[in-house]
Amino acid sequence: KNEVEQSPQNLTAQEGEFITINCSYSVGISALHWLQQHPGGGIVSLFMLSSGKKKHGRLIATINIQEKHSSLHITASHPRDSAVYICAVNTGNQFYFGTGTSLTVIP
Amino acid sequence: DVKVTQSSRYLVKRTGEKVFLECVQDMDHENMFWYRQDPGLGLRLIYFSYDVKMKEKGDIPEGYSVSREKKERFSLILESASTNQTSMYLCASSLARDEKLFFGSGTQLSVL
Repeated sequence: KNEVEQSPQNLTAQEGEFITINCSYSVGISALHWLQQHPGGGIVSLFMLSSGKKKHGRLIATINIQEKHSSLHITASHPRDSAVYICAVNTGNQFYFGTGTSLTVIP
Repeated sequence: DVKVTQSSRYLVKRTGEKVFLECVQDMDHENMFWYRQDPGLGLRLIYFSYDVKMKEKGDIPEGYSVSREKKERFSLILESASTNQTSMYLCASSLARDEKLFFGSGTQLSVL
């Protein structure tokens, strides 16, 4: 059983669409992280959150601690948003990672 | 910004070779990690270190060892490379155990 489940696994969208990626987890956490990985490998941290909602540009991340669920939203999607988005949770001791959502935004 | 540098972007080795993957971070982070990433499996922790000369096994340490002689450098060693170690290897560092991770750009290792 995976501690972190993401959906969907793959997502194709037209430029300008609103996108939602979901993450559910089964362990107690100190924080949840959303990561972005572009083709070529490097991973960057987008958000770290332990409650509520955070916004950075066109990206919004929300978390519901009671339901153990988080969502990453992308508004007005653009081809440069094409990447793998990874949900990770930190228990205070270690990280658990989802398998990622591969997003392709078509012009 | 924190920079985590991995020494090689692509590496091709033969079965049985000893392989060194180097990772250096420039922000005085205590914690350093080595992960491997395989399609459909996500990131899996190989080894981590919370201090100089200290190391702990992660989820999949078999076939690997590590070295942390200096705070900024964390090396992953494949004692005798095998084809099932073909993978993307990612180094990461963090300021504290519950802080965000900073990743290197990864090393794609192919063992033939």
